[in-house]
This record gives sequence, C-alpha cells and structure tokens, in this order.
Amino acid sequence: EDQVTQSPEALRLQEGESSSLNCSYTVSGLRGLFWYRQDPGKGPEFLFTLYSAGEEKEKERLKATLTKKESFLHITAPKPEDSATYLCAVQALGATNKLIFGTGTLLAVQP
Amino acid sequence: DADVTQTPRNRITKTGKRIMLECSQTKGHDRMYWYRQDPGLGLRLIYYSFDVKDINKGEISDGYSVSRQAQAKFSLSLESAIPNQTALYFCATSDAVGYTFGSGTRLTVV
Repeated sequence: EDQVTQSPEALRLQEGESSSLNCSYTVSGLRGLFWYRQDPGKGPEFLFTLYSAGEEKEKERLKATLTKKESFLHITAPKPEDSATYLCAVQALGATNKLIFGTGTLLAVQP
Repeated sequence: DADVTQTPRNRITKTGKRIMLECSQTKGHDRMYWYRQDPGLGLRLIYYSFDVKDINKGEISDGYSVSRQAQAKFSLSLESAIPNQTALYFCATSDAVGYTFGSGTRLTVV
C-alpha cells in the first residue's frame, strides 16, 4: 500500500535556527514527490516537485532533496513568515495522477 | 481572481440535509479533484475527474456524489449530511506539471 509519513508532527524553531523536515514514503513506483505549504484557513500552495533520487530544488530559504525512500525539506535561517504546515505528497506511476498526502509538519518560527 | 474558486467558504448545516459545494477553475485543465482534510489524517481523495465524461471514486467516496458540469466546474454533494462529514474540503485541478488547490470550504454538520 502506498504511504507517506512525515516527521516531526510539529517543530518550533527560533528565528535563524536551521532544521529539516522529513517525508518517508513507500510507493510501488514513484512518479513524483511534492512539497506544499499550507497556511491556516487556506489551501496547499505548491513549493517543489522532485522526480528522481539525488534531485534537489531550492527556493529562497527552502531546499528539498530526494532519496529512494525519503525526502527532506531543509529550512535555512528561517523567519517567522516561514511558519506554516508543510505537506508532502507522492504520485505513483500509473494513469490515475492522484496524490497521496502525509499528515504534515506544523512549523512555528519564533522571533 | 483565484485560479480555483470554492463556494461557500464556510457552511453550517444540519444532519440529514443535502448540501452542495461548488468549485470552478480558470487554469484550463481537464483534471479536477475533491479532497477532504481532517486533523491528523491529512488530505484524502473523495472523487476525481479527468474530463467532463470521466468521473472516478477516490478512497473515501461513500456518502458523497459529484457532478462535472463543464471543464471548469466540478461540484461535490452530500446527499444526507452526517456529523462525521464535518471537515475542510478542497477542490484542486492539475496538469502534467502540478496541482493547484482552492482555498477550501469549512463544513460543519450539526
């Protein structure tokens, strides 16, 4: 069964304190792994798509990496505006184009 | 205007009532989805549609139905609402590159 597990469930950082969020996955065949940011009361906002092991993508203070079993979202020198829930999702090979989501990591960055 | 618009944003309804959540998109994509989000469970797929004539059940379709009125419109209905359908509902559309989500409908069934 395809599955996505995110850890930790919640993370509190001081402004400027770098850290990483983890997304472990099991899927019959990976078409793509997605990272989203979700603010309270809003829909998920797309951050990155990773397709193959070894791939890395960056956007401002965020960097996503991918291995055959997991993905990391590295946050460098975070700011309070980075506070949000970060969601990971995988898309399996096949015709359905569906996303399987993890339960998210709630990140709080204190000034 | 938002790429994916959901109405209403918030709704409180009584058990047993029929309710429809509406979604429209301006991305021009064929594929549309309905997800629900519950605390601790993440987003789960209710229904998806790859074009106007193609509608498929997701992992939690029981108690729900959908209608794809046009390429841009995809509505979700609860025929007889029950309290455990209280959740945040998201509509999304996708192409080969990625997904775009609406801002959600917060539904409370009392």
